[in-house]
Amino acid sequence: DAGVIQSPRHEVTEMGQEVTLRCKPISGHDYLFWYRQTMMRGLELLIYFNNNVPIDDSGMPEDRFSAKMPNASFSTLKIQPSEPRDSAVYFCASSLALGGTGNTGELFFGEGSRLTVL
Amino acid sequence: GENVEQHPSTLSVQEGDSAVIKCTYSDSASNYFPWYKQELGKGPQLIIDIRSNVGEKKDQRIAVTLNKTAKHFSLHITETQPEDSAVYFCAATDSWGKLQFGAGTQVVVTP
Repeated sequence: DAGVIQSPRHEVTEMGQEVTLRCKPISGHDYLFWYRQTMMRGLELLIYFNNNVPIDDSGMPEDRFSAKMPNASFSTLKIQPSEPRDSAVYFCASSLALGGTGNTGELFFGEGSRLTVL
Repeated sequence: GENVEQHPSTLSVQEGDSAVIKCTYSDSASNYFPWYKQELGKGPQLIIDIRSNVGEKKDQRIAVTLNKTAKHFSLHITETQPEDSAVYFCAATDSWGKLQFGAGTQVVVTP
């Protein structure tokens, strides 16, 4: 398997524009996570899905952010409208299970999408 | 919810020396403690993990220790090499099994 695939790797856009980040998880992984990484806040969990269903979106910063998983092999994170403070590296990760008793819950991360909003 | 604190934020070591990173967690129900390594321009990658029923685990030059009573766990890297330079994250599961990450430690190994 090629691992978790994210696109685009880099995105530069202007404030107010819509941004769509894409992710293809590892085949067979039931869990998909979207993280945001910044110097100030580190790795923040935005939302995660189990079997394509959003389970916990409490980390989504505000209504400008939305995420979908229409099928087991594809997910999107959309920001509309984008703002300069959204500039960050966004990671998608997938896993077989959540961490916990009896399960490894190892997260496999993509290489990230670096977003710059001017 | 779970809160994970990690220290130090940066660590500079001479090649061949040891490096130690320490983390504390708040949720006594946490039972899984992985460590991830992030190289420049890449996503974090699991390097070692430990479960709450184990006090120590070793894999070649890296080892993790866990003290459940004190709610802290540590990563030890011995005989450091330049390729060990990276950002290291500790993490702990919350009551739902989700991982809460520490803030990260930038490790620089100087020749």
